[in-house]
Amino acid sequence: EAAVTQSPRSKVAVTGGKVTLSCHQTNNHDYMYWYRQDTGHGLRLIHYSYVADSTEKGDIPDGYKASRPSQENFSLILELASLSQTAVYFCASSDAGYAEQFFGPGTRLTVL
Amino acid sequence: GDSVTQTEGPVTVSESESLIINCTYSATSIAYPNLFWYVRYPGEGLQLLLKVITAGQKGSSRGFEATYNKETTSFHLQKASVQESDSAVYYCALGDSNYQLIWGSGTKLIIKP
Repeated sequence: EAAVTQSPRSKVAVTGGKVTLSCHQTNNHDYMYWYRQDTGHGLRLIHYSYVADSTEKGDIPDGYKASRPSQENFSLILELASLSQTAVYFCASSDAGYAEQFFGPGTRLTVL
Repeated sequence: GDSVTQTEGPVTVSESESLIINCTYSATSIAYPNLFWYVRYPGEGLQLLLKVITAGQKGSSRGFEATYNKETTSFHLQKASVQESDSAVYYCALGDSNYQLIWGSGTKLIIKP
């Protein structure tokens, strides 16, 4: 069965530190996405990618970088973590921009 | 820009009663956006519940229904008789002109036994 996995599932980071969130999909999908969700809000798109070695900015890219080294893997990098980046982060994949997205279980990031 | 507004939760419904979760949208970038309902059950990831890509059509899944109403820009989620297993968080979303999803804030549904 197709799957999207994320690691770690939760993380506590210090302000100013570097954080890397990883996502792996076995769906053979071209598109991958990183979202963040804050309590009481919907998902907001940070970065996405439609092909390996290329990433695109979403609605809220500031403070985040993304890397897509292969079709299966998509990472989100916080070079200098800040308190405002405390949130739950979701990765998703789809086989086309307009198609159903399949989500990972989420990573709860707390920046102290 | 495009936006989605849905019923603020939590919504509490007794088992076997009917349910409606409202969703209205504003689509400025695209005339006929694709509309979606996603659900997150406790301990699980987000998953697609239903989608409708044609105005006037109805989508259904697991006893839930939603009709794409272009005139009222609405896509309300309904179920005639809820079960305890329906307890979850429900998200309405639209696909914009860039095929990105614009999300509502989610509605937590609590079913009383």
